[in-house]
Amino acid sequence: DVKVTQSSRYLVKRTGEKVFLECVQDMDHENMFWYRQDPGLGLRLIYFSYDVKMKEKGDIPEGYSVSREKKERFSLILESASTNQTSMYLCASSVGAGQYFGPGTRLTVT
Amino acid sequence: AQSVTQLDSQVPVFEEAPVELRCNYSSSVSVYLFWYVQYPNQGLQLLLKYLSGSTLVESINGFEAEFNKSQTSFHLRKPSVHISDTAEYFCAVSGGSNYKLTFGKGTLLTVNP
Repeated sequence: DVKVTQSSRYLVKRTGEKVFLECVQDMDHENMFWYRQDPGLGLRLIYFSYDVKMKEKGDIPEGYSVSREKKERFSLILESASTNQTSMYLCASSVGAGQYFGPGTRLTVT
Repeated sequence: AQSVTQLDSQVPVFEEAPVELRCNYSSSVSVYLFWYVQYPNQGLQLLLKYLSGSTLVESINGFEAEFNKSQTSFHLRKPSVHISDTAEYFCAVSGGSNYKLTFGKGTLLTVNP
């Protein structure tokens, strides 16, 4: 089975802090994705990566950056966290069609 | 550009009743279609997918979906639901070479005893 893990299930940070969310997949997938999920808005794509050191902006990249130094790891960075970034963050990976998701990180920014 | 519309945000049903969760999409290219399920406090799990071939696809837990190209729909059905089917269901579409998914806003299925 494909396994996608995320470093934390729950995270509480203060406004202005730099926040790192880590995602690791164990199936040598080429593509990795970061989404945020908010009630009534569904999932929105923040960034994705189709190879090591390659990244592309999704639909809502503002306020976020990403890093992919190794194929299995994709990090989401909030340079200066704000309260409107309080959300559920989901990581996914894929090779071909269909994505496999991690359990999510619920981030609260106070 | 692609878009997905899930026509119902909430669907309450009684146990053992049939259910249909509706999904319509728009796309200028050929598409792959997916249904994902999210149980409370968990990530999304792939329920079923249409890539090509037979337009009727089935999951291992009794759900099925039919790809209807003329109506641009991919509705999810189950003839008899269980309490354990209570979850949020997301329809998604993918087209092009990078396999990005566009999701609908989700339908919360609540199965009552």
